[in-house]
Amino acid sequence: AQKVTQAQTEISVVEKEDVTLDCVYETRDTTYYLFWYKQPPSGELVFLIRRNSFDEQNEISGRYSWNFQKSTSSFNFTITASQVVDSAVYFCALRNGYNKLIFGAGTRLAVHP
Amino acid sequence: EAGVTQSPTHLIKTRGQQVTLRCSPISGHTSVYWYQQALGLGLQFLLWYDEGEERNRGNFPPRFSGRQFPNYSSELNVNALELEDSALYLCASSSRGTGGREKLFFGSGTQLSVL
Repeated sequence: AQKVTQAQTEISVVEKEDVTLDCVYETRDTTYYLFWYKQPPSGELVFLIRRNSFDEQNEISGRYSWNFQKSTSSFNFTITASQVVDSAVYFCALRNGYNKLIFGAGTRLAVHP
Repeated sequence: EAGVTQSPTHLIKTRGQQVTLRCSPISGHTSVYWYQQALGLGLQFLLWYDEGEERNRGNFPPRFSGRQFPNYSSELNVNALELEDSALYLCASSSRGTGGREKLFFGSGTQLSVL
């Protein structure tokens, strides 16, 4: 069975702090895809990144970076120098093959000025 | 290019009523997904349609149903509404399935309130 766990329910930081959102997943498949989505107050989920199970190369995109480690089944997301506009709910998600996309419970990030 | 559009944006119904939610995918996308986001319960997978057929269904009772039309738009129907059906219903679309790597593009959702 597939499962995604985001243990952090809410995180509150002050602007310019770095923040890491944790994601741990479970799957028996060897081929799968991991995603991060952002849900701002408007409600529409916005795609941030996709990783496949064969690519453990970590990625940096501007202030965002992702750390994928198969050994610990984790796919963590870090925002460097956070900004108020980063305030949103962040979802980690998992999909294997021709199957449904499973989301974690989400982490609500509040960035205060 | 237009994104995923959902209608209506808000809806208020009473217990026992029926509701139909609508979704238009991004042009060229053949897959449509429905998710329920109830307060405190995260995103729960409801239904997945691809090329007009139901491909997968989440753990919801049969009173949740839907369909996909030849133009790939989709409807979600909920019969005999219950209070716990109050939630944000999100629709997403993607290009045709190629093994799970497809990105889902989401609409802004329909906020359903059942009184």
